[in-house]
Amino acid sequence: QQQVKQSPQSLIVQKGGISIINCAYENTAFDYFPWYQQFPGKGPALLIAIRPDVSEKKEGRFTISFNKSAKQFSLHIMDSQPGDSATYFCAASNDYKLSFGAGTTVTVRA
Amino acid sequence: DTGVSQNPRHKITKRGQNVTFRCDPISEHNRLYWYRQTLGQGPEFLTYFQNEAQLEKSRLLSDRFSAERPKGSFSTLEIQRTEQGDSAMYLCASSATGGVSGYTFGSGTRLTVV
Repeated sequence: QQQVKQSPQSLIVQKGGISIINCAYENTAFDYFPWYQQFPGKGPALLIAIRPDVSEKKEGRFTISFNKSAKQFSLHIMDSQPGDSATYFCAASNDYKLSFGAGTTVTVRA
Repeated sequence: DTGVSQNPRHKITKRGQNVTFRCDPISEHNRLYWYRQTLGQGPEFLTYFQNEAQLEKSRLLSDRFSAERPKGSFSTLEIQRTEQGDSAMYLCASSATGGVSGYTFGSGTRLTVV
């Protein structure tokens, strides 16, 4: 069974807009929550990650918000650009292996 | 260093044939992982090596699957008697001892079983 649930499955945003992707988990032992970006024909690449002792982390146009009590975390992509069009995966881990969400395909319209 | 390298990039095989994929990790990484990604899904963990020792195998890895990492360098993933359900992208990743926060994925091998 999938340990990390991700939504929406896909979204379309205008250039300059904000993309928001949400994830929820059940396993309270998870202590590392990364987001990966994947382009067609490529492997996932780490975008940004957070530990549960922090409620928010920002790197450039990408922000993770983390709600430990609700067991939810989200990715916000600010000022979305056409080059951000990709599939985004949330993931969670408490050891050496990652449990991935099903992915969100983001399309940025120019 | 050019990252994690996987070969071949694409493989088409007939049902029942054996296939083998190769992964060359980043040279200083002692941990190596295999994941499988089917269309429209996130990657799923298959197995993990620390140096040459295979430390965990997912129940997704049936008896038809075997992975090796001789001398703790490159790794191979073999699928015997392939089935159509084996069609997927097989991803390799490596990391240093620090583990999951230092994952680097390869570009994967796309397997199509016809």
